[in-house]
Amino acid sequence: GENVEQHPSTLSVQEGDSAVIKCTYSDSASNYFPWYKQELGKRPQLIIDIRSNVGEKKDQRIAVTLNKTAKHFSLHITETQPEDSAVYFCAASSRDAGKSTFGDGTTLTVKP
Amino acid sequence: DAGVIQSPRHEVTEMGQEVTLRCKPISGHDYLFWYRQTMMRGLELLIYFNNNVPIDDSGMPEDRFSAKMPNASFSTLKIQPSEPRDSAVYFCASSRGHEQFFGPGTRLTVL
Repeated sequence: GENVEQHPSTLSVQEGDSAVIKCTYSDSASNYFPWYKQELGKRPQLIIDIRSNVGEKKDQRIAVTLNKTAKHFSLHITETQPEDSAVYFCAASSRDAGKSTFGDGTTLTVKP
Repeated sequence: DAGVIQSPRHEVTEMGQEVTLRCKPISGHDYLFWYRQTMMRGLELLIYFNNNVPIDDSGMPEDRFSAKMPNASFSTLKIQPSEPRDSAVYFCASSRGHEQFFGPGTRLTVL
């Protein structure tokens, strides 16, 4: 089955700096890569996703890149703010499989 | 739509008792997932259904865990008997496309 590895497990940055979280996947059939943000005590919520026919996608301060050849994808957050502090999960899925395989999560702390 | 609904939000029980967690997915969604989240093991997929049929239950930790989906608008996750190591937050999620919508979770504490 699919295996998703996520790094780093914790990340601390100063407000205004950029943050990058990286994930690798194993199943070449995976074609959908979402990122979820989970604030303390809350549920995971989708913040951005990318499909395998696209190499990069941006939404304001967040962007995701995908390298299908190398089987890795990354989340980039620019101009970080304290409210970006949360746990971020990457995931990979193939529609045929129905489910998404999640990474172990990255705890991002943005220091004011 | 009210989103995915889970009940109860908090459950405290004693070891050996039966626990039933409930989930109402978003109307029209054909996939339903049950997850368990702990500090040690992160977010684990326990089981998921497609059109009310269990597809993959390989994440269910033991026979003490069982899940049902009698219809498109309701699912249960049952633990019998419960043990302290079952203490966790249990999330239900549903989807129609790729995006999964999570419920608020049930925080289970087994004493």
